Amino acid sequence: DGGITQSPKYLFRKEGQNVTLSCEQNLNHDAMYWYRQDPGQGLRLIYYSQIVNDFQKGDIAEGYSVSREKKESFPLTVTSAQKNPTAFYLCASSSWGGNTEAFFGQGTRLTVV
Amino acid sequence: LAKTTQPISMDSYEGQEVNITCSHNNIATNDYITWYQQFPSQGPRFIIQGYKTKVTNEVASLFIPADRKSSTLSLPRVSLSDTAVYYCLVVGGSYIPTFGRGTSLIVHP
Repeated sequence: DGGITQSPKYLFRKEGQNVTLSCEQNLNHDAMYWYRQDPGQGLRLIYYSQIVNDFQKGDIAEGYSVSREKKESFPLTVTSAQKNPTAFYLCASSSWGGNTEAFFGQGTRLTVV
Repeated sequence: LAKTTQPISMDSYEGQEVNITCSHNNIATNDYITWYQQFPSQGPRFIIQGYKTKVTNEVASLFIPADRKSSTLSLPRVSLSDTAVYYCLVVGGSYIPTFGRGTSLIVHP
Protein backbone atom coordinates (compact mmCIF):
# COMPACT_ATOMS: atom_id res chain seq x y z
CA ASP A 1 0.00 0.00 0.00
CA GLY A 2 1.57 3.28 -1.09
CA GLY A 3 1.03 6.29 1.06
CA ILE A 4 2.26 8.81 3.57
CA THR A 5 2.18 8.10 7.29
CA GLN A 6 2.36 10.52 10.17
CA SER A 7 2.82 9.54 13.78
CA PRO A 8 1.67 9.93 16.41
CA LYS A 9 -1.90 11.04 15.74
CA TYR A 10 -2.09 12.91 19.06
CA LEU A 11 0.83 14.33 21.00
CA PHE A 12 1.03 16.19 24.28
CA ARG A 13 4.03 18.26 25.22
CA LYS A 14 5.01 20.13 28.31
CA GLU A 15 6.11 23.70 27.88
CA GLY A 16 9.84 23.98 27.33
CA GLN A 17 10.22 20.55 25.76
CA ASN A 18 11.21 19.72 22.21
CA VAL A 19 9.10 17.15 20.36
CA THR A 20 9.57 15.39 17.03
CA LEU A 21 6.77 14.51 14.62
CA SER A 22 7.35 11.64 12.23
CA CYS A 23 6.50 11.61 8.50
CA GLU A 24 7.27 8.67 6.22
CA GLN A 25 6.30 8.08 2.59
CA ASN A 26 6.71 5.11 0.26
CA LEU A 27 5.54 6.90 -2.88
CA ASN A 28 9.09 7.52 -4.12
CA HIS A 29 8.41 11.26 -4.08
CA ASP A 30 11.28 13.71 -4.18
CA ALA A 31 9.46 16.59 -2.48
CA MET A 32 8.09 16.67 1.05
CA TYR A 33 6.36 19.43 2.98
CA TRP A 34 5.28 20.35 6.51
CA TYR A 35 2.25 22.53 7.18
CA ARG A 36 0.61 23.90 10.28
CA GLN A 37 -3.15 24.40 10.52
CA ASP A 38 -4.91 26.38 13.25
CA PRO A 39 -8.68 26.21 13.85
CA GLY A 40 -10.66 27.76 11.00
CA GLN A 41 -7.52 28.61 9.08
CA GLY A 42 -5.81 27.37 5.95
CA LEU A 43 -2.53 25.50 5.84
CA ARG A 44 0.68 27.46 6.43
CA LEU A 45 3.97 26.14 5.09
CA ILE A 46 6.68 25.48 7.70
CA TYR A 47 9.45 23.76 5.72
CA TYR A 48 9.81 21.91 2.46
CA SER A 49 12.42 19.67 0.88
CA GLN A 50 12.95 19.05 -2.81
CA ILE A 51 15.67 16.46 -2.44
CA VAL A 52 17.55 14.45 0.16
CA ASN A 53 19.90 16.50 2.38
CA ASP A 54 18.32 19.77 1.31
CA PHE A 55 15.40 21.74 2.74
CA GLN A 56 14.06 25.28 2.66
CA LYS A 57 12.19 27.47 5.13
CA GLY A 58 8.55 28.17 4.46
CA ASP A 59 6.45 31.06 5.72
CA ILE A 60 6.54 30.16 9.44
CA ALA A 61 9.81 28.28 10.07
CA GLU A 62 10.76 30.01 13.33
CA GLY A 63 10.77 27.57 16.26
CA TYR A 64 10.85 24.50 14.01
CA SER A 65 13.60 22.34 12.55
CA VAL A 66 13.67 19.49 10.02
CA SER A 67 16.03 16.96 8.49
CA ARG A 68 15.97 14.97 5.25
CA GLU A 69 18.54 12.21 5.58
CA LYS A 70 16.47 9.70 3.62
CA LYS A 71 14.11 10.17 0.69
CA GLU A 72 11.31 8.47 2.60
CA SER A 73 11.51 10.46 5.82
CA PHE A 74 11.05 14.13 6.76
CA PRO A 75 10.74 14.53 10.56
CA LEU A 76 9.72 17.85 12.08
CA THR A 77 10.98 19.00 15.48
CA VAL A 78 8.94 21.56 17.34
CA THR A 79 11.40 23.29 19.62
CA SER A 80 10.86 25.16 22.86
CA ALA A 81 11.46 28.36 20.87
CA GLN A 82 8.05 27.94 19.18
CA LYS A 83 5.84 30.17 21.32
CA ASN A 84 2.47 28.81 20.30
CA PRO A 85 2.96 25.19 19.19
CA THR A 86 -0.55 23.85 19.82
CA ALA A 87 -1.89 23.11 16.32
CA PHE A 88 -2.67 20.43 13.73
CA TYR A 89 0.44 19.48 11.75
CA LEU A 90 0.24 18.02 8.26
CA CYS A 91 2.95 16.39 6.18
CA ALA A 92 2.69 16.00 2.41
CA SER A 93 4.74 14.65 -0.47
CA SER A 94 4.73 15.02 -4.23
CA SER A 95 6.85 14.65 -7.31
CA TRP A 96 8.72 17.88 -7.87
CA GLY A 97 7.64 20.42 -10.42
CA GLY A 98 4.67 21.30 -12.56
CA ASN A 99 1.18 20.02 -12.14
CA THR A 100 1.74 17.20 -9.71
CA GLU A 101 -0.67 16.10 -7.00
CA ALA A 102 0.29 16.38 -3.33
CA PHE A 103 -0.51 13.49 -1.01
CA PHE A 104 -1.14 14.24 2.65
CA GLY A 105 -0.80 12.26 5.83
CA GLN A 106 -3.57 12.10 8.41
CA GLY A 107 -1.97 14.74 10.57
CA THR A 108 -0.64 15.05 14.12
CA ARG A 109 -2.51 17.11 16.66
CA LEU A 110 -0.03 18.63 19.09
CA THR A 111 -1.19 20.07 22.39
CA VAL A 112 1.01 21.88 24.86
CA VAL A 113 0.00 21.17 28.46
CA LEU B 1 2.83 33.04 -7.32
CA ALA B 2 -0.78 33.45 -8.42
CA LYS B 3 -3.07 34.51 -5.58
CA THR B 4 -6.49 32.89 -5.37
CA THR B 5 -9.74 34.25 -3.96
CA GLN B 6 -12.72 32.08 -3.10
CA PRO B 7 -15.77 32.48 -0.84
CA ILE B 8 -15.19 31.75 2.84
CA SER B 9 -18.33 29.67 3.21
CA MET B 10 -21.30 28.24 1.33
CA ASP B 11 -24.45 26.40 2.31
CA SER B 12 -26.40 23.89 0.27
CA TYR B 13 -28.95 21.10 0.62
CA GLU B 14 -28.72 17.44 -0.22
CA GLY B 15 -29.31 16.67 -3.87
CA GLN B 16 -28.41 20.15 -5.12
CA GLU B 17 -25.55 21.05 -7.42
CA VAL B 18 -22.89 23.22 -5.79
CA ASN B 19 -20.63 25.56 -7.72
CA ILE B 20 -17.60 27.11 -5.99
CA THR B 21 -15.82 29.82 -7.95
CA CYS B 22 -12.19 30.77 -7.52
CA SER B 23 -10.55 33.84 -9.04
CA HIS B 24 -6.87 33.84 -9.99
CA ASN B 25 -6.30 36.98 -12.02
CA ASN B 26 -2.51 36.70 -12.33
CA ILE B 27 -2.33 33.06 -13.37
CA ALA B 28 0.75 32.30 -15.48
CA THR B 29 0.87 30.46 -18.78
CA ASN B 30 2.29 27.25 -17.31
CA ASP B 31 0.08 27.19 -14.20
CA TYR B 32 -2.58 24.56 -13.54
CA ILE B 33 -5.68 24.92 -11.37
CA THR B 34 -6.05 22.28 -8.68
CA TRP B 35 -8.77 21.67 -6.10
CA TYR B 36 -8.46 19.81 -2.81
CA GLN B 37 -11.05 18.69 -0.25
CA GLN B 38 -10.42 18.53 3.49
CA PHE B 39 -12.56 16.90 6.16
CA PRO B 40 -12.11 17.86 9.83
CA SER B 41 -8.96 16.44 11.44
CA GLN B 42 -7.75 14.96 8.14
CA GLY B 43 -5.24 15.97 5.50
CA PRO B 44 -6.48 17.53 2.24
CA ARG B 45 -7.27 15.20 -0.63
CA PHE B 46 -6.82 15.97 -4.34
CA ILE B 47 -10.13 16.27 -6.20
CA ILE B 48 -9.47 17.56 -9.68
CA GLN B 49 -7.01 19.50 -11.80
CA GLY B 50 -7.31 21.35 -15.09
CA TYR B 51 -5.58 23.74 -17.46
CA LYS B 52 -8.39 25.01 -19.67
CA THR B 53 -12.01 24.35 -20.73
CA LYS B 54 -13.66 21.53 -18.82
CA VAL B 55 -12.42 18.53 -16.87
CA THR B 56 -14.69 15.91 -15.34
CA ASN B 57 -14.03 12.92 -13.12
CA GLU B 58 -16.17 10.69 -10.92
CA VAL B 59 -16.24 13.27 -8.13
CA ALA B 60 -16.52 16.70 -9.73
CA SER B 61 -16.26 18.92 -12.79
CA LEU B 62 -13.93 21.85 -13.26
CA PHE B 63 -14.84 24.68 -15.62
CA ILE B 64 -12.14 27.09 -16.78
CA PRO B 65 -12.99 29.97 -19.15
CA ALA B 66 -10.73 30.94 -22.01
CA ASP B 67 -8.97 33.74 -20.11
CA ARG B 68 -8.24 31.31 -17.20
CA LYS B 69 -8.64 34.12 -14.65
CA SER B 70 -11.22 32.12 -12.74
CA SER B 71 -12.41 28.56 -12.36
CA THR B 72 -15.51 26.85 -11.00
CA LEU B 73 -15.61 23.57 -9.14
CA SER B 74 -18.96 21.86 -9.63
CA LEU B 75 -20.18 19.15 -7.27
CA PRO B 76 -23.27 17.38 -8.65
CA ARG B 77 -26.04 16.31 -6.29
CA VAL B 78 -24.21 16.87 -3.01
CA SER B 79 -24.79 14.72 0.05
CA LEU B 80 -24.09 15.32 3.74
CA SER B 81 -20.70 13.65 3.29
CA ASP B 82 -19.62 16.45 0.95
CA THR B 83 -19.51 18.84 3.92
CA ALA B 84 -15.86 19.87 3.93
CA VAL B 85 -13.44 22.68 3.16
CA TYR B 86 -12.53 23.07 -0.52
CA TYR B 87 -9.25 24.69 -1.55
CA CYS B 88 -8.40 26.17 -4.91
CA LEU B 89 -4.69 26.23 -5.78
CA VAL B 90 -2.76 27.50 -8.76
CA VAL B 91 0.36 25.42 -9.29
CA GLY B 92 3.19 25.88 -11.74
CA GLY B 93 6.86 25.29 -12.30
CA SER B 94 8.14 25.84 -8.76
CA TYR B 95 5.53 23.60 -7.30
CA ILE B 96 5.01 24.45 -3.63
CA PRO B 97 1.36 23.80 -2.78
CA THR B 98 0.05 27.00 -1.21
CA PHE B 99 -3.29 26.83 0.57
CA GLY B 100 -5.50 29.77 1.50
CA ARG B 101 -8.46 29.52 3.90
CA GLY B 102 -10.58 27.64 1.38
CA THR B 103 -14.37 27.50 1.15
CA SER B 104 -16.23 25.80 3.97
CA LEU B 105 -19.19 23.98 2.41
CA ILE B 106 -22.01 22.87 4.68
CA VAL B 107 -24.62 20.54 3.21
CA HIS B 108 -27.94 20.49 5.06
CA PRO B 109 -30.46 17.63 5.11
